[in-house]
Amino acid sequence: DQQVKQNSPSLSVQEGRISILNCDYTNSMFDYFLWYKKYPAEGPTFLISISSIKDKNEDGRFTVFLNKSAKHLSLHIVPSQPGDSAVYFCAASARGSSNTGKLIFGQGTTLQVKP
Amino acid sequence: EAGVTQFPSHSVIEKGQTVTLRCDPISGHDNLYWYRRVMGKEIKFLLHFVKESKQDESGMPNNRFLAERTGGTYSTLKVQPAELEDSGVYFCASSLSRPGRRGYTFGSGTRLTVV
Repeated sequence: DQQVKQNSPSLSVQEGRISILNCDYTNSMFDYFLWYKKYPAEGPTFLISISSIKDKNEDGRFTVFLNKSAKHLSLHIVPSQPGDSAVYFCAASARGSSNTGKLIFGQGTTLQVKP
Repeated sequence: EAGVTQFPSHSVIEKGQTVTLRCDPISGHDNLYWYRRVMGKEIKFLLHFVKESKQDESGMPNNRFLAERTGGTYSTLKVQPAELEDSGVYFCASSLSRPGRRGYTFGSGTRLTVV
């Protein structure tokens, strides 16, 4: 029972173009959605997040969109740069007193930005 | 500020042996999490400490895994006896409070290979 899914294992885009990474979820109790970026042999690093009460959050070249009715979120990177090549994980945090702050992660999408 | 430190970075052991992984969180972070990524799949929650207390250990696979956090500082994760399916990358993360919109800081991970 996977509550957070990233159905595209890989994505390849040209430098300067837009990268769109997608994520679907099933649990309506999630209150925060986060994106992490991971380089080889390193731990995941926090990139950007969005609250469930918002539908968009922007930080520089990175924008996350949330569509609650579709239980879908996406990360847009514009313009894409070769240094953005990494594995991107979507993660979610559930609200409620029983939640201790654990994150539920998707499988990750490997982004390759070609020069 | 030093980040989350994990060691060893790599460990190769034989099936049936014991391995102990260590995590030093960021100083002052009461929350410490262990996660595992197996064979390129999603990053899965194992357990959560608040100071020295286990807050949530719902993700621990079985009783071959034992986690401790001495005095609320560093944490160890012992696997005894190790099985082939325990191979993967074990990540530790820490945070001051519930991650919410800022997530938490991960270490670089320990790659465990059981042969």
